[in-house]
Amino acid sequence: AQSVTQLDSQVPVFEEAPVELRCNYSSSVSVYLFWYVQYPNQGLQLLLKYLSGSTLVKGINGFEAEFNKSQTSFHLRKPSVHISDTAEYFCAGRPYNTDKLIFGTGTRLQVFP
Amino acid sequence: GAGVSQSPSNKVTEKGKDVELRCDPISGHTALYWYRQRLGQGLEFLIYFQGNSAPDKSGLPSDRFSAERTGESVSTLTIQRTQQEDSAVYLCASSLASPWGTDTQYFGPGTRLTVL
Repeated sequence: AQSVTQLDSQVPVFEEAPVELRCNYSSSVSVYLFWYVQYPNQGLQLLLKYLSGSTLVKGINGFEAEFNKSQTSFHLRKPSVHISDTAEYFCAGRPYNTDKLIFGTGTRLQVFP
Repeated sequence: GAGVSQSPSNKVTEKGKDVELRCDPISGHTALYWYRQRLGQGLEFLIYFQGNSAPDKSGLPSDRFSAERTGESVSTLTIQRTQQEDSAVYLCASSLASPWGTDTQYFGPGTRLTVL
C-alpha cells in the first residue's frame, strides 16, 4: 500500500536558521508529491508540488523541495525561517492511478525568536 | 475569489446524535473531497465526488458515514449515531480535476466536531 512518512512530528528552530522537514513516500508506482501548510485556525494551503521535470521545486514563501527518486524522498527546505513560518506542514502523495491524496502525519514547525 | 467554505466551523454534539457538515466548493470545481483529521494525525481520505460519476466511498470508516453532493455544488457529510471516536476536524477540498490528475486541491477551513 502507498504511504507517506514524515519522520519528525515537531521541529523547533530559531528565527533565521535553515530548516529541513523530511518526507518519504512508499509506492510501487510513480506519484505526484505535494507539501501543504496549515497555519493556526486556517485551512491547508498548497506550498509546492512535484509533477514531473526538474526535481527541485520552488514554492511560496521561500520554500523549496527536492524530489529524490532513488531515496523516495521529497524533503522541504527553507534557508532562513521567520516567526511567521510557525505552522503544521503536511507532505502528501497522489499515485498516478488514484484521485486521492495520501497524507503524512504532519510536522509542526516552531520558530523561536 | 471565494475559496472553499465549510459550516459550521465548530460543532459539539452528544453521543448518539446525528450531525450534518456542509461544504461549498470553489465555483467551477468538478471534484470534491472529504477528509478527516484526528488530533495529532494526518488527514484521512473519506470520500470523493467527480462530476456525475459514482462517488469513491472507499475511505468512509463505517456505514454511519454518508455524503451527498448536488450536481457540482454543495456537499453534505452526514454522521449518524455519532461516537466519541468521530471527534475530529472534517476538511473539504475541491479541484478542477484535470484528466491527468495534476490538479491542486484547495481546502476549506474545516469543521471541528466534538462528540461528548
